[in-house]
Amino acid sequence: DTGVSQNPRHKITKRGQNVTFRCDPISEHNRLYWYRQTLGQGPEFLTYFQNEAQLEKSRLLSDRFSAERPKGSFSTLEIQRTEQGDSAMYLCASSSLPPNRGEEAFFGQGTRLTVV
Amino acid sequence: GNSVTQMEGPVTLSEEAFLTINCTYTATGYPSLFWYVQYPGEGLQLLLKATKADDKGSNKGFEATYRKETTSFHLEKGSVQVSDSAVYFCALSPDSSYKLIFGSGTRLLVRP
Repeated sequence: DTGVSQNPRHKITKRGQNVTFRCDPISEHNRLYWYRQTLGQGPEFLTYFQNEAQLEKSRLLSDRFSAERPKGSFSTLEIQRTEQGDSAMYLCASSSLPPNRGEEAFFGQGTRLTVV
Repeated sequence: GNSVTQMEGPVTLSEEAFLTINCTYTATGYPSLFWYVQYPGEGLQLLLKATKADDKGSNKGFEATYRKETTSFHLEKGSVQVSDSAVYFCALSPDSSYKLIFGSGTRLLVRP
């Protein structure tokens, strides 16, 4: 297994356009997380899936954001009507147990979004 | 609410110097505590963890002890190397949630 894979690695889009990112977790992991990281800050939690069920969402996840994990495998994060404030690194992570049980979350290298 | 505060960087040290990066937290209950590291050009990876009070996490010469009385989880290393240059993130996972809550990160630069 090559770890958590995210595509694309970079995305430049015009304000108002929709974008979609993909995350392929480590194959045996049933838990998947999305985070957002801006320059000079730590990652901020967006949402959590256990298998295909979305069990936790942050207030940061506005109505323009939607995440899915069909069949409990890969996940997509879509941002509609992008704004300049959406420019950030979007990180995906996966784990076999949740971190509140002391389990390690494995992170992908992220998708860097730039909204111009 | 739950939060993590860590010392601002950058921290610049000479090789073989002693390292301390301070981390304090606010949380209800008994969170799990972590240090993650991000090397240049790489993704976040776990450095060490502790899940209950007085536990000591250790890895690659780094150590941190879960101190509930002072709500701290300071990262230490006795002798840093140039290859330790990276950004270090302290994080907690509340026992009532599935998420990680990160501090803002501390950049470490080790000079030969």
